[in-house]
Amino acid sequence: QVQLVQSGAEVKKPGASVKVSCKASGYTFTGYFVHWLRQAPGQGLEWMAWINPSRGATNYAQKFQGRVTMTRDTSITTAYMELNSLTSDDTAVYYCARGSEVGATAKAAFEIWGQGTRVTVSS
Amino acid sequence: EIVLTQSPGTLSLSPGERATLSCRASQSVSSSQLAWYQQKPGQAPRLLIYGASSRATGVPDRFSGSGSGTDFTLTISRLEPEDFVVYYCQQYDGSPRTFGGGTKVEIK
Repeated sequence: QVQLVQSGAEVKKPGASVKVSCKASGYTFTGYFVHWLRQAPGQGLEWMAWINPSRGATNYAQKFQGRVTMTRDTSITTAYMELNSLTSDDTAVYYCARGSEVGATAKAAFEIWGQGTRVTVSS
Repeated sequence: EIVLTQSPGTLSLSPGERATLSCRASQSVSSSQLAWYQQKPGQAPRLLIYGASSRATGVPDRFSGSGSGTDFTLTISRLEPEDFVVYYCQQYDGSPRTFGGGTKVEIK
C-alpha cells in the first residue's frame, strides 16, 4: 500500500544538525511532491518545505531558509530533511507528507503522512 | 501568507451531539483549496476533507465540510467516542501552506 516511513527519533545538542529520512513505497516516488512539516510539543502544525523528487527542485518557508535543506535519492525512493543550527525551539515531531502530483495543475491536500520523527534538542 | 483562524479553541459536547467547527481565512482561498484533518494523540494527522467539501477515502459520512472564499465549516453530525480529538484546517492554495491553530473537541 501507499506509505511513507520515517527514520527514528533523534536527540541532538544545541548547534548541531539533524537529518531525517522519509522512504516512500507503493507509488511512483518521482510522481508526487514531498512536503515536510513539524509540530512542537502541544502546538499546531507548521509547514516547512516541499521537494519535487523528479527534478530535485525545492521551496522553503521563509522562516527556515538558510537553515534547512531538502534532498532526495530516487534510487531508494527516499526524501531527506536536514536542519542545521538546532535550538531548543526546534524540538518537535517532524512529518513528511505526500503532496500534489508532479505536473498537475491542481494542488492537493496531504492524504499520505509519515509516522513522524521526534527530534529533541537538549544540552 | 494566508492566516487561518479556527474557532472555538475548545468545543465541549456529549456523544451523539452535533459539532460545528469554523475556519476563517485572512484572504479568499481559491478553488476551495481547503482541507480538514483529524489528529489523535501520538498520531500523524489524518485527512478528512479536501476541496472544502469532499470526503477523503474511508472517512465516515458523519463528517462533512462546507464553505468557500474565507469561511469554512467542518460538521460532525453525531459525535462518536473516537471523535473527541483535535481538528485542523489547512489551505493549500498558496505558499506557504498554512494551518489553523486547531479545535479540540472534548467530552462534556
